[in-house]
Amino acid sequence: EDQVTQSPEALRLQEGESSSLNCSYTVSGLRGLFWYRQDPGKGPEFLFTLYSAGEEKEKERLKATLTKKESFLHITAPKPEDSATYLCAVQAGPEAGNMLTFGGGTRLMVKP
Amino acid sequence: DTAVSQTPKYLVTQMGNDKSIKCEQNLGHDTMYWYKQDSKKFLKIMFSYNNKELIINETVPNRFSPKSPDKAHLNLHINSLELGDSAVYFCASSLWGIANEQFFGPGTRLTVL
Repeated sequence: EDQVTQSPEALRLQEGESSSLNCSYTVSGLRGLFWYRQDPGKGPEFLFTLYSAGEEKEKERLKATLTKKESFLHITAPKPEDSATYLCAVQAGPEAGNMLTFGGGTRLMVKP
Repeated sequence: DTAVSQTPKYLVTQMGNDKSIKCEQNLGHDTMYWYKQDSKKFLKIMFSYNNKELIINETVPNRFSPKSPDKAHLNLHINSLELGDSAVYFCASSLWGIANEQFFGPGTRLTVL
């Protein structure tokens, strides 16, 4: 069974204090690993897709990396507007259709 | 120009009632999904439809019946609502294919009293 575990569950940072969120996964035949951002009362907003180990993608203060067992979301010099829950999800092999398996999320709070 | 929309945003109802949630996407996608997010914030797939055909049904009670009248719409009908059905339900859509990103609607918060 595909599993996704995110850590920490919650993270408090001061504005400008860089850190990383972790997403560990076990999946049969990874097709893609996704990062989403979710604000309170809203649907998840797509950030990145990573396809293979060694791949990296960047968007503003966010950088996502992928290994064979985990992914990291690095946040450089965060601002209060980066406060949100960050969700990691995996898409497995063809038998799973397009199904995404999500982790429990990391709730990030950035204080000014 | 909302990409994935859901109605209603909030739904409060009594146990035993039947209710529906509607979803529409204007992205030209051919695959739509329903997810359930429980109180612990875990998002779990319920159904996946590709070109109006059911692809995935993840051990969801048969009180839940999705209906896809066309590729742009996927509605969720729930019979005999139970307390445990209280959650936020998200609709999503994507193009069918390897690792295509899914776009989510704003969610419907269902409260069963």
